[in-house]
Amino acid sequence: DVHLVDSGGDLVKPGGSLRLSCAASSFTFSDYTMTWVRQAPGRGLEWVSSISTSGDYTYYADSVKGRFTISRDNADNSLFLQMHRLRAEDTAVYYCARGPPLGILFPFDYWGQGTLVTVSS
Amino acid sequence: DIQMTQSPSTLSASVGDRVIITCRASQSISSWLAWYQQKPGRAPKLLIYKASRSESGVPSRFSGSGSGTEFTLTISGLQPDDFATYYCQQYSSSYSFGQGTKLEIK
Repeated sequence: DVHLVDSGGDLVKPGGSLRLSCAASSFTFSDYTMTWVRQAPGRGLEWVSSISTSGDYTYYADSVKGRFTISRDNADNSLFLQMHRLRAEDTAVYYCARGPPLGILFPFDYWGQGTLVTVSS
Repeated sequence: DIQMTQSPSTLSASVGDRVIITCRASQSISSWLAWYQQKPGRAPKLLIYKASRSESGVPSRFSGSGSGTEFTLTISGLQPDDFATYYCQQYSSSYSFGQGTKLEIK
């Protein structure tokens, strides 16, 4: 069964940095785009960033562009989100999600359990 | 950017009821629309993709319809397990979600 495990969430001060990880298993990781989605406390879902199968192409929401970097290690079946210059409004549960195979339009069919990032002094 | 608007924001219903949730896109997205169910403290679960196609294992009481800018999710014969929050998502151009519809027990 497809499995995604998110980790790395923590309490961090405004302006600080944090790196999230997502460990994938039971599917051919390199065949799928991957995505981060976040959910602020009591709020809805917000797409954050996506990365192509090879890692050559990356996409970001305007709210995080220039501060967050998505990357992947296909040899290790891992997805990452490096977050810099964190703000209070970045406080959220961050989910990694499996996107479609290359060249196919499809939503996110598997999600991690989420990891909580809290930005507060 | 494509904006997604759901209605209602909250819906009160009883077990056995038929409910309809609506999602509107700010521009045409053809049929590139998905519906998710989310329960408190859990990750979202994909129910419907391409507006009307059910994900494997999803009960037949869940159905989706629509194209272009107007879409609906219908749940026929509500079960206790269905009380949750539902989100629509477009994946025609990048990705964006509706604000959610919380389905509550009346």
